[in-house]
Amino acid sequence: NAGVTQTPKFQVLKTGQSMTLQCAQDMNHEYMSWYRQDPGMGLRLIHYSVGAGITDQGEVPNGYNVSRSTTEDFPLRLLSAAPSQTSVYFCASSYGPTGEQYFGPGTRLTVT
Amino acid sequence: AQKITQTQPGMFVQEKEAVTLDCTYDTSDQSYGLFWYKQPSSGEMIFLIYQGSYDEQNATEGRYSLNFQKARKSANLVISASQLGDSAMYFCAMRVLSGGYNKLIFGAGTRLAVHP
Repeated sequence: NAGVTQTPKFQVLKTGQSMTLQCAQDMNHEYMSWYRQDPGMGLRLIHYSVGAGITDQGEVPNGYNVSRSTTEDFPLRLLSAAPSQTSVYFCASSYGPTGEQYFGPGTRLTVT
Repeated sequence: AQKITQTQPGMFVQEKEAVTLDCTYDTSDQSYGLFWYKQPSSGEMIFLIYQGSYDEQNATEGRYSLNFQKARKSANLVISASQLGDSAMYFCAMRVLSGGYNKLIFGAGTRLAVHP
């Protein structure tokens, strides 16, 4: 099993550009989520999904969209990038609501 | 409010000594879970140990143990016999059920440096 994979590993965007961060897992986990980690802080939840077709907002959802068309994939879309979205983004998945969350390796995003 | 507090921004320890990283939490839920993750300089999040709110015994995983004091709402991580490879950021996190989802709330982290 590859676990949770994320692409790209690094990305630089200009203000106003849009892009999609990819996340995939091969563990047949129903639950997936996106977190962001800013310098000197822990991770904060952006969006999450409890199954294909079902998504909801976390603590810091503004400026991001998600969709979940398959169990395996959970892409995160930045609609119009802003410097405040410069961060490291982690995708995570878990088998159930109380299961251990498995994290991907992260995507380091810089918006100039 | 649900919150995790890690009051030690940085700690250092001599190799082979034990070290305790502090974590206090705040929640009104009866059912919750507490996690510790390690984040080395390479950036990935590595799961270390888990304690459920109803677990009566402290969790242990190899050199890691969790000192769970429910009445004090603390969940300190103890690393015994520190190794140079233990140098990393350590995050305490609390699992809370929110809208049917297992959400993790993280503390700000503690940077541990292990000196030879």
